[in-house]
Amino acid sequence: DSGVTQTPKHLITATGQRVTLRCSPRSGDLSVYWYQQSLDQGLQFLIQYYNGEERAKGNILERFSAQQFPDLHSELNLSSLELGDSALYFCASGSGGRSDGYTFGSGTRLTVV
Amino acid sequence: AQSVSQHNHHVILSEAASLELGCNYSYGGTVNLFWYVQYPGQHLQLLLKYFSGDPLVKGIKGFEAEFIKSKFSFNLRKPSVQWSDTAEYFCAVNISSGSARQLTFGSGTQLTVLP
Repeated sequence: DSGVTQTPKHLITATGQRVTLRCSPRSGDLSVYWYQQSLDQGLQFLIQYYNGEERAKGNILERFSAQQFPDLHSELNLSSLELGDSALYFCASGSGGRSDGYTFGSGTRLTVV
Repeated sequence: AQSVSQHNHHVILSEAASLELGCNYSYGGTVNLFWYVQYPGQHLQLLLKYFSGDPLVKGIKGFEAEFIKSKFSFNLRKPSVQWSDTAEYFCAVNISSGSARQLTFGSGTQLTVLP
């Protein structure tokens, strides 16, 4: 157990639907990072939050959004889902410092059918 | 923007063989470098990291990496691999750019160790 909790572990949904992935960071970590891992794209950084505020955006589609709540948990919202959105979505947490090594959660496997 | 290259996509070794996985990054400024391992069906785990000091970094499970600034490289090594080292290995770089701290990952190297 890494201390970063992601739910659900698996999600199967139909095209056009909307889903919410949840992440609770490790105790004491203020930063949350979302990554998408797929076979063809590898690990792609989506977005970072630090203490409730968006810090950085990567290759995140407009159909996707995220937020970090006052208790520091984060949610990644994926809407108008397409087959190509099927992937593993990882959340990681860290202190937000320069030498931050991140701690990863176990991921949510999203399958869009 | 920074990028990370891992040239070996799949490496197959026998147990007890020595391992070296290549990692090169493209960024001229101050970087922090990381190696992660992902065992089948599991999350990424930090093997080791470099952010300053001795360029030879020792990590968990007998792994080490050497930062060579002039070559923009951070290769991962292990003198003698075990079957249990079968996993995917990712190199990552973090630059000190404003307040953003995201890691950029390489495409990964799948290591298969034959018993």
